[in-house]
Amino acid sequence: GAVVSQHPSWVICKSGTSVKIECRSLDFQATTMFWYRQFPKQSLMLMATSNEGSKATYEQGVEKDKFLINHASLTLSTLTVTSAHPEDSSFYICSANTGRVTEAFFGQGTRLTVV
Amino acid sequence: QKEVEQDPGPLSVPEGAIVSLNCTYSNSAFQYFMWYRQYSRKGPELLMYTYSSGNKEDGRFTAQVDKSSKYISLFIRDSQPSDSATYLCALGGGYNFNKFYFGSGTKLNVKP
Repeated sequence: GAVVSQHPSWVICKSGTSVKIECRSLDFQATTMFWYRQFPKQSLMLMATSNEGSKATYEQGVEKDKFLINHASLTLSTLTVTSAHPEDSSFYICSANTGRVTEAFFGQGTRLTVV
Repeated sequence: QKEVEQDPGPLSVPEGAIVSLNCTYSNSAFQYFMWYRQYSRKGPELLMYTYSSGNKEDGRFTAQVDKSSKYISLFIRDSQPSDSATYLCALGGGYNFNKFYFGSGTKLNVKP
């Protein structure tokens, strides 16, 4: 199957700093990328949907000024957690979609710990 | 009411057992029914999907969709220790076509 690379796989940062997470589709062009957040023993919660070259669409309750999403090309989307706080600690996962609804491939996830 | 409900388990079975994993949903507009497998600290990987109703079989895995009951199932035959993982159902292709709603996942442990 197609490969989606997410980097870094884990990061520890100090409270108040910003962290950038990258999501790359390695062997296909992703028309749409999705960012999810997953708490322990809970499901993936969709945070936002991004299409290349346009502003991301955020889900209700997700602060767009805190979770900045940039989808500058068809193979790269970034999520920046700004002014991170301990409650932002979570597992963040991206997925990239080829355009067919059944072809959404997930990255490996990023474990963010804010201390 | 959640869009998708899934029993979180954990479910522990002996090797070789038949495993049944299930989800119920509330929105009749869903058209795509997916099953993902997620190992600890990894992203989910697609196991199989079904479009609309019916059954689909792939090796030891069978996915069933009953749209009248809004109930989907994943059966694993001859379960193996390597099947131990968390299984998530995901439903999509509804009013917001590309948006998927995930179940909370069922943790499966297959004991040797």
